[in-house]
This record gives sequence, C-alpha cells and structure tokens, in this order.
Amino acid sequence: DGGITQSPKYLFRKEGQNVTLSCEQNLNHDAMYWYRQDPGQGLRLIYYSQIVNDFQKGDIAEGYSVSREKKESFPLTVTSAQKNPTAFYLCASSIRRGGLLSYNEQFFGPGTRLTVL
Amino acid sequence: AQSVTQLGSHVSVSEGALVLLRCNYSSSVPPYLFWYVQYPNQGLQLLLKYTTGATLVKGINGFEAEFKKSETSFHLTKPSAHMSDAAEYFCAVSDMSSNYKLTFGKGTLLTVNP
Repeated sequence: DGGITQSPKYLFRKEGQNVTLSCEQNLNHDAMYWYRQDPGQGLRLIYYSQIVNDFQKGDIAEGYSVSREKKESFPLTVTSAQKNPTAFYLCASSIRRGGLLSYNEQFFGPGTRLTVL
Repeated sequence: AQSVTQLGSHVSVSEGALVLLRCNYSSSVPPYLFWYVQYPNQGLQLLLKYTTGATLVKGINGFEAEFKKSETSFHLTKPSAHMSDAAEYFCAVSDMSSNYKLTFGKGTLLTVNP
C-alpha cells in the first residue's frame, strides 16, 4: 500500500542535542512538507520541498533544517537552536501540476511526538 | 495573505444530533478549501475538498460542506453524529497567491456524548 511513514513515533531528546525525524513516502509525490502541531495552534509549516535537492522555508523554519536528496525521503533535523522543540511533527506529501504545487490535497504521515527532557 | 478561522475550539453534541463545524476563510483569489480529521496521536485524513464546480461537497463518513463565496464560509456538517466521529477537525485553505501552500485553522475538537 502506498503511504507515508514517519519514525520514530515517540522521541525523547535532552536539551542541547540535535535530533533527526524520518519521513518516507512511496506515493511518487514530488512535493513534501513538514508541519509542527501544538495544542490549540493548528498546523504550522516548517519547511517544504517541491523537487529533489530543493527546499524552502515555511513560517517557522528557525531552529530546523532539512534535506531532500531522494524523492522518497525528507528528513527533518531539530537543532539545539530550536528553543521550544516539544511538539507533534507531521510530514506530508502532494503531487505537483505543471511544475507548481497544486490544489490537490496533501497526504499526511502518522506523526512523531518529540519531547525534550 | 490567506487565513482560516474556525469558530469554536470545542463542540459537543449528542449521538444522533446534527454536527456543524464552522469555518471562515480569507483569500484574495479563488480559494481551494479542505476539511481534515485527526484522531488522537495520528496524522490527518482528508474528509473532503472544494476546488471548483459544485459548491456542495460530499466527503467520507457522511460529512459534507458547502462553499459560500458571499459569506467566505465552508462549514462542515453531518446529519447524525456517531460516537466514532469524536476527533479534531481542521479546515484549511490554499490559493495561487500562496503557491498552493495550505493554511490551517486552529482546529475544532468534536465530542460526541452517548
């Protein structure tokens, strides 16, 4: 079955440590996204990538980094510069049309819950 | 810039009652509108979407929504609530001006009482 996988489901980090969240998709989608979800805040866009080897900052990119070396994979690194990293992180993907992100829906992975101890 | 307002962070209904979750949007160009559902500690699942054409959109699990341009609204309804509908619901908007990136509302938690 096609879909998006995120690992791990739960992640604990000590203050000052970098940590990388995995996101893999087998939907053959060009575009991938990372969101952060906090209670009562909805979803906020961290980074997105439209094609391999290209990515753009979203609304809250500070303290995060990404890479897009393969179409299927879009890992997110939460660095020690992120002051409040405890949150639920969601990865998503979508198709592109005519070289642009499209109005088609985004498909979401199951999420990773990150807790800083 | 686009934005989404979901009226009511928490809605409680009885099983069998009408479900109405409100969503108003702001967009400078024709919008594309979505409703997603999230069960605890899970990802988001698409319920329905409006892109073009018919303004009354039917989705999964008996939900539907109507795009009303004059009211800039996209409210989600279901005639009869089921216990399994208890979840958090997110309205989202995208348009060409934002390169089709999604902007989400803050969500509405639906509780269904027996």
